[in-house]
Amino acid sequence: QSALTQPRSVSGSPGQSVTISCTGTNSDVGTYNYVSWYQQYPGKAPKLMIHDASKRPSGVPDRFSGSKSGNTASLTISGLQAEDEADYYCCSYAGNYYVLFGGGTKLTVL
Amino acid sequence: QVQLQESGPGLVKPSETLSLTCTVSGASITSYYWNWIRQSPGKGLEWLGYMYYTGNTNYNPSLKSRVIISRDTPENQFSLKLSSVTAADTAVYYCARAPSIFGVMEVWGQGTTVTVSS
Repeated sequence: QSALTQPRSVSGSPGQSVTISCTGTNSDVGTYNYVSWYQQYPGKAPKLMIHDASKRPSGVPDRFSGSKSGNTASLTISGLQAEDEADYYCCSYAGNYYVLFGGGTKLTVL
Repeated sequence: QVQLQESGPGLVKPSETLSLTCTVSGASITSYYWNWIRQSPGKGLEWLGYMYYTGNTNYNPSLKSRVIISRDTPENQFSLKLSSVTAADTAVYYCARAPSIFGVMEVWGQGTTVTVSS
């Protein structure tokens, strides 16, 4: 199976909102609500930011929110801060005990 | 506090077998699901497979014939073996814990870099 499709890069100014999309197929994102999002700084391990499409783990700021519609999941970061500049990856369960990641999106805070 | 730590050779020759270990502290590997994930230079994340708390395993179909995940319960470790490696297997390898099979990687190791080169 191919990786989930994410834009290579997005950008926004401090205080603005940005949305990162993650497009899959009827076999993964479209069928399961098991979409998660990860934040990764250079040289560091990824960190879980959203799971089950829209749930935030304890400690993740409420500026981060997730949603899903059809075959596309989205991560929205509101009130953008300089510290949000990182790479973001989506991940979806794809059935048959298989997990699929997106190609990653680089977020630049202008 | 749950911590995961990857260890193993940083350099592997082509056609040989890559072997890594993930040592878990603060939790037992007889609970949860234990994953291996890699990231090639400048690329995205790729899920390699996981071991259930029961000891059963599931692998990425694209690598299935080359991957084996096993565990050492007394040592609270689980391991990755990837056979017949090529330069394309050069990557940072991460181990991660998930509460289920659905890909929620809630705790990650720091990652270890493996280079495949003669």
